[in-house]
Amino acid sequence: QKEVEQNSGPLSVPEGAIASLNCTYSDRGSQSFFWYRQYSGKSPELIMFIYSNGDKEDGRFTAQLNKASQYVSLLIRDSQPSDSATYLCAVSSVTDKLIFGTGTRLQVFP
Amino acid sequence: NAGVTQTPKFQVLKTGQSMTLQCAQDMNHNSMYWYRQDPGMGLRLIYYSASEGTTDKGEVPNGYNVSRLNKREFSLRLESAAPSQTSVYFCASGGLAGDIEQFFGPGTRLTVL
Repeated sequence: QKEVEQNSGPLSVPEGAIASLNCTYSDRGSQSFFWYRQYSGKSPELIMFIYSNGDKEDGRFTAQLNKASQYVSLLIRDSQPSDSATYLCAVSSVTDKLIFGTGTRLQVFP
Repeated sequence: NAGVTQTPKFQVLKTGQSMTLQCAQDMNHNSMYWYRQDPGMGLRLIYYSASEGTTDKGEVPNGYNVSRLNKREFSLRLESAAPSQTSVYFCASGGLAGDIEQFFGPGTRLTVL
């Protein structure tokens, strides 16, 4: 069974701090990695994707991938209360469907 | 563009009743999916359709059937609802064969009594 694991949280960080969200996956054949954000009662929305080892930055968000360690993370700089949500990690191989983790709940307090 | 639309938004059923959840997308995606989301379980794939005319089972297909009516529409049917099917159901499209992003509909909150 291919698995994607995340700490369920909640991860609590003060406003302005860096939030670090982590995800590990079991399938070494995985090639595509995604971070979705889901506000309470809403549907998931894609915020980042990464294919290559290393860092990918988009505004306040940085995705980090280490395929050797089967580890992907999401850093949120200058965290805002509006970032409070559940963050879902998702993984897929080239021709396969997404496998989602159970999500990490982030709370940013003023 | 409406993106991915789902109907209904809320539904209450009695055990044994049947219903169909409707989903449509206007992004010309080949692939479409049905997920259920339960507390602590994350998103679990029920069925998916990689292209018009094809459907495949996901992780939790038992108790469900699907129809890919055309490229735009993908419906999910519960033939005989059970309390274990109480969940939030999301339809999604994209995410395969070059469509990088998978877009989600607003969800259907289903309660089976």
